[in-house]
Amino acid sequence: GAGVSQSPSNKVTEKGKDVELRCDPISGHTALYWYRQSLGQGLEFLIYFQGNSAPDKSGLPSDRFSAERTGGSVSTLTIQRTQQEDSAVYLCASSFGKNIQYFGAGTRLSVL
Amino acid sequence: SQKIEQNSEALNIQEGKTATLTCNYTNYSPAYLQWYRQDPGRGPVFLLLIRENEKEKRKERLKVTFDTTLKQSLFHITASQPADSATYLCALALGGDDKIIFGKGTRLHILP
Repeated sequence: GAGVSQSPSNKVTEKGKDVELRCDPISGHTALYWYRQSLGQGLEFLIYFQGNSAPDKSGLPSDRFSAERTGGSVSTLTIQRTQQEDSAVYLCASSFGKNIQYFGAGTRLSVL
Repeated sequence: SQKIEQNSEALNIQEGKTATLTCNYTNYSPAYLQWYRQDPGRGPVFLLLIRENEKEKRKERLKVTFDTTLKQSLFHITASQPADSATYLCALALGGDDKIIFGKGTRLHILP
């Protein structure tokens, strides 16, 4: 595809359920980022994958959050036992090295 | 740790005037600074990148400056238009494989 693709675009779940959010980066991009953005707020860094290096997980808010990137391409962000405060837009971005970041349209997560 | 501050949460500018947004950072000088635009419901979109050895970069009605002494970048939109209304984010990258860090953004409103 031409850009970063995220799915689903919207996700409504019940408190306590697990959710998986998917990100398909631009082919060939070595870096992949996950961010969280609450309504009217800035980007909150979650996790960063760079090539084959160990991911920078310093932004994950709790151990309920995890992410993996398979084969250096597709990434999945998993939130276990969702809480209402997890409701936000989750954005994925990819880049070649540390240059320009290309963002997906995001997944809007609503935890009821 | 590195910190980024953008001058204000919101800025109102009359159409046709120049809008100037500020990005200040602490501690280490970044290898480069980036500016992004974000419209409601969408992911940020890259606008301009300026490297530490560059003083100024232009693109159409946009101009970015980078002052490593003041630890500041200014983002200018000349002849502003209502369509320029959006949130503008600055981001910086240090060096090596460190992640890119985003500021919280400034909401710009161009008043007709």
